[in-house]
Amino acid sequence: DVVMTQSPLSLPVTLGQPASISCRSSQSLVHSDGDTYLNWFQQRPGQSPRRLVYKVSKRASGVPDRFSGSGSGTDFTLEISRVEAEDVGIYYCMQGTHWPRTFGQGTKVEIK
Amino acid sequence: EVQLLESGGGLVQPGGSLRLSCAASGFTFSNYTMTWVRQAPGKGLEWVSTVVRSGDSTYHADSVKGRFTISRDNSRQTLFLQMNSLRVEDTAMYYCVRGIFAPDYWGQGTLVTVSP
Repeated sequence: DVVMTQSPLSLPVTLGQPASISCRSSQSLVHSDGDTYLNWFQQRPGQSPRRLVYKVSKRASGVPDRFSGSGSGTDFTLEISRVEAEDVGIYYCMQGTHWPRTFGQGTKVEIK
Repeated sequence: EVQLLESGGGLVQPGGSLRLSCAASGFTFSNYTMTWVRQAPGKGLEWVSTVVRSGDSTYHADSVKGRFTISRDNSRQTLFLQMNSLRVEDTAMYYCVRGIFAPDYWGQGTLVTVSP
């Protein structure tokens, strides 16, 4: 199975400051069709997960442009340019390239 | 508006069975691969099962293989998860999710509790 490793697991941030979450996979996530299926999800307290970014860097509909994804191969990053109070929650990366699909452990973002 | 509404969760004893349903609306259900993802209390996300658009092919995590069966009824726009031989470690919120390469919509979840 592809292991997805996120860091840090806890991320205290100051409002208005940037934040960055790393996600590394144990194998390349480049699919045979040429796409890289690395996705990011946000789960606010008490809510279902919500897709933020798909295929490494494509922002999902309705997601603020302060969220951005980057990376390639096995090394990926989610960045929040200026953290807002509503960004509190747990962020998960997920690979959609290999079976079984696997998620990172989650990174808890909280306000300092 | 895309909506996924799960039902069928509840309290069951170890060894028991449950059948989860997910009623889909706001999109053409038969055009999408569908997936179940679960989350144990206070834990992370775990992919459980996926069924392709036609229902002809299914995929299951090793942790549920042989016990869980995913299926769909495209005429009723409904996804199912038949769960047999339930174990305490199957206790989780079960989410119905659209897609499998880059899942986009998630339901609110239905809680399954397996306890003596």
